[in-house]
Amino acid sequence: DVKVTQSSRYLVKRTGEKVFLECVQDMDHENMFWYRQDPGLGLRLIYFSYDVKMKEKGDIPEGYSVSREKKERFSLILESASTNQTSMYLCASSPAVRAADEQYFGPGTRLTVT
Amino acid sequence: AQSVTQPDIHITVSEGASLELRCNYSYGATPYLFWYVQSPGQGLQLLLKYFSGDTLVQGIKGFEAEFKRSQSSFNLRKPSVHWSDAAEYFCAVGPPVGYKLSFGAGTTVTVRA
Repeated sequence: DVKVTQSSRYLVKRTGEKVFLECVQDMDHENMFWYRQDPGLGLRLIYFSYDVKMKEKGDIPEGYSVSREKKERFSLILESASTNQTSMYLCASSPAVRAADEQYFGPGTRLTVT
Repeated sequence: AQSVTQPDIHITVSEGASLELRCNYSYGATPYLFWYVQSPGQGLQLLLKYFSGDTLVQGIKGFEAEFKRSQSSFNLRKPSVHWSDAAEYFCAVGPPVGYKLSFGAGTTVTVRA
């Protein structure tokens, strides 16, 4: 069965901390995505990776960075967490570049920054 | 630029009643269209997708959607809802080539007994 896992379901961090969110997929997918989900705003793309060590900015990359050292793993990094980064973070993967391919989502990490 | 509007933030429906969720998109050409569902505490799951061909698309869990180019709409329907259909539903649009999906704000469905 297709699976995308995220390292934490809930996370509480302090302002200024460096935060790592981890995502692992077991489907050998080329593409991986990080989204942020906020009420009334839907999902907004933070970063996208189409291959190991390759990344592209999405709609809201400010304050975030990513790392993809292995095909199955895609990490989202908050260099210095701020309260406005309190949100639900969703990771997804898909097998090809085309948007037509279904994206498979993890369960999400709810991050609270205090 | 592509965008999606879901006009209804919240819908309440009785179990066994029909359900229709609205989705309007903006895109210069024929887009690829998707409906996803997010059950409480879960990630998003694809219900159905439209690329071309028959404008009435069947999906999982008894859902269907109809693409209407003249109205720039892709509404989701289910003839008889079950309590397990209580969830948040997202419409998304993407280009035929490229990775970026644009999601609507979502519609929360509550099912009452």
